[in-house]
Amino acid sequence: AQSVTQPDIHITVSEGASLELRCNYSYGATPYLFWYVQSPGQGLQLLLKYFSGDTLVQGIKGFEAEFKRSQSSFNLRKPSVHWSDAAEYFCAVGSSNTGKLIFGQGTTLQVKP
Amino acid sequence: GAVVSQHPSRVICKSGTSVKIECRSLDFQATTMFWYRQFPKQSLMLMATSNEGSKATYEQGVEKDKFLINHASLTLSTLTVTSAHPEDSSFYICSAGPSGARGETQYFGPGTRLLVL
Repeated sequence: AQSVTQPDIHITVSEGASLELRCNYSYGATPYLFWYVQSPGQGLQLLLKYFSGDTLVQGIKGFEAEFKRSQSSFNLRKPSVHWSDAAEYFCAVGSSNTGKLIFGQGTTLQVKP
Repeated sequence: GAVVSQHPSRVICKSGTSVKIECRSLDFQATTMFWYRQFPKQSLMLMATSNEGSKATYEQGVEKDKFLINHASLTLSTLTVTSAHPEDSSFYICSAGPSGARGETQYFGPGTRLLVL
């Protein structure tokens, strides 16, 4: 069965520190992978996506993610976190057949001044 | 980038009434739209796939007579919560992707917060 796991429910980092949010997936075929960010009471904004090709993908707001097939992972990274990055982050895997997205449980990021 | 809107952004209704939520793709056509439900501090749960010109496909456990979906045009899908009850109170979010781009990027609306009294 297809699934997405985000092991960390809540992460707190200091402003300026580096960040890595973990995502593991289970999918039978080559996955389409996404990271979305959600601010309180808002919809989801796409940070980045992986379909094929270069396994290190760059996104908006200085985020990047690396697809590692051998580890079934798609971890999100940022070298220096800003206070405005505090939000909920969702990893998702997409079906190339149906277009459906399966979301992980989400990781809440808190940024300390 | 592609923009998806939802209306209303929030709605309060009495128990037993019906509520309609609109999802529009503003600058692209979408033969398929998706409806999600999100409880506080939880992830998004896919409710149904809305198909233009045909019946919606509902996920297991979602009552199709309770959550009526109509996708009458390539830019509009509506979700009607019929005979709403307090347990239907939630955050409802739609998404859409450009037609013919199955499995590719979905763009999300800003969500509709429903409170049933």
